[in-house]
Amino acid sequence: AQTVTQSQPEMSVQEAETVTLSCTYDTSESDYYLFWYKQPPSRQMILVIRQEAYKQQNATENRFSVNFQKAAKSFSLKISDSQLGDAAMYFCAYRSRINNTDKLIFGTGTRLQVFP
Amino acid sequence: GAGVSQTPSNKVTEKGKYVELRCDPISGHTALYWYRQSLGQGPEFLIYFQGTGAADDSGLPNDRFFAVRPEGSVSTLKIQRTERGDSAVYLCASSSLYSGAEQYFGPGTRLTVT
Repeated sequence: AQTVTQSQPEMSVQEAETVTLSCTYDTSESDYYLFWYKQPPSRQMILVIRQEAYKQQNATENRFSVNFQKAAKSFSLKISDSQLGDAAMYFCAYRSRINNTDKLIFGTGTRLQVFP
Repeated sequence: GAGVSQTPSNKVTEKGKYVELRCDPISGHTALYWYRQSLGQGPEFLIYFQGTGAADDSGLPNDRFFAVRPEGSVSTLKIQRTERGDSAVYLCASSSLYSGAEQYFGPGTRLTVT
């Protein structure tokens, strides 16, 4: 079964600095998608960035980028030039599409605090 | 355009009561998902609809939980004989058929069973 592990319950960063959130996963599939979602106190899950496993190039979305290491099954999120609005829960998610399903498997999340 | 909406935003019910939670997906999205998020945890999958049918309901915890999507749009999650352990945020998401499609989430319904 696929699993997603986030080993950092909390992280903090100074405004304008860079922070990296860790995520590892386990799967027997060769083609899949990985996501980072942001969840502010409003509860709304917002997609930050996605990575397709067959693409070797790391995905980038403005200040957000990933370090995808397929062999190591690692998918970390780097936030550059951190802003106060980046403070939220961040969830790593694996998309499973085997056996006629289509579902996201989430990690337990990392709470990011941003200090001015 | 309108995103995924969920009603009610908050629901407080007594143990043993029946509740219904509603999800309105983004217009045209054929796939709809329900997740449950307990305090301090990531969302856990409950059920996945493709059109009107449940393609995967393996995440429903027991037979007190049931979900329908009769016309392939709005979905209702139904919980019978609620228990205090059912207290959680119930999230709904929808997506299009594209293989890499993002799941768009609603704001969730916070269910509290007293």
